[in-house]
Amino acid sequence: AQKITQTQPGMFVQEKEAVTLDCTYDTSDQSYGLFWYKQPSSGEMIFLIYQGSYDEQNATEGRYSLNFQKARKSANLVISASQLGDSAMYFCAMREGRVTGNQFYFGTGTSLTVIP
Amino acid sequence: DSGVTQTPKHLITATGQRVTLRCSPRSGDLSVYWYQQSLDQGLQFLIQYYNGEERAKGNILERFSAQQFPDLHSELNLSSLELGDSALYFCASSPRDRNRRGDTQYFGPGTRLTVL
Repeated sequence: AQKITQTQPGMFVQEKEAVTLDCTYDTSDQSYGLFWYKQPSSGEMIFLIYQGSYDEQNATEGRYSLNFQKARKSANLVISASQLGDSAMYFCAMREGRVTGNQFYFGTGTSLTVIP
Repeated sequence: DSGVTQTPKHLITATGQRVTLRCSPRSGDLSVYWYQQSLDQGLQFLIQYYNGEERAKGNILERFSAQQFPDLHSELNLSSLELGDSALYFCASSPRDRNRRGDTQYFGPGTRLTVL
């Protein structure tokens, strides 16, 4: 089974609107971390937001918020007030802790296009 | 600019050759991670070093090896290169061993390897 599933290969959103990017994960661990990264066409990976499995409140970072539903194993990214500069690939990722060290898994990404 | 540097930016080589990719983490960061991003495999975690010691292994091939030096820079060595090794190789760093809130991975700009 895939550790991280992003079912939306491509999304379009009107400028200034909000958009939700879906992410579901698969783990049997109690302690894990969830991340979202943005990759513009220039190629760099930019950290957006982090949610720990024990965090009771949804993480927020500026216009980014993470809708964490633990029972459903989903960690959707919500971008409010979309801007043209938000057009990029977005990756959901998970860290699982192991005695032998952390393991990191990334989804296949969602390409977001913001329309003026 | 994340503060993580990677050299070279681009590398073109032939099958069967060996190359070394270099990464300098952000000042003060003790952990270095290596990732491979290819079109068919997506973003794959390869290996993590923490303060000079191997901390976690992901999907790293036996033909690949890495090390972290006392000054905390890291090198990823790829040998007996195959066409399928063509990819974008990222290095990331973080302050500590485990990712927590505020302790995120900062990615370098990547090295694009092309194997002909």
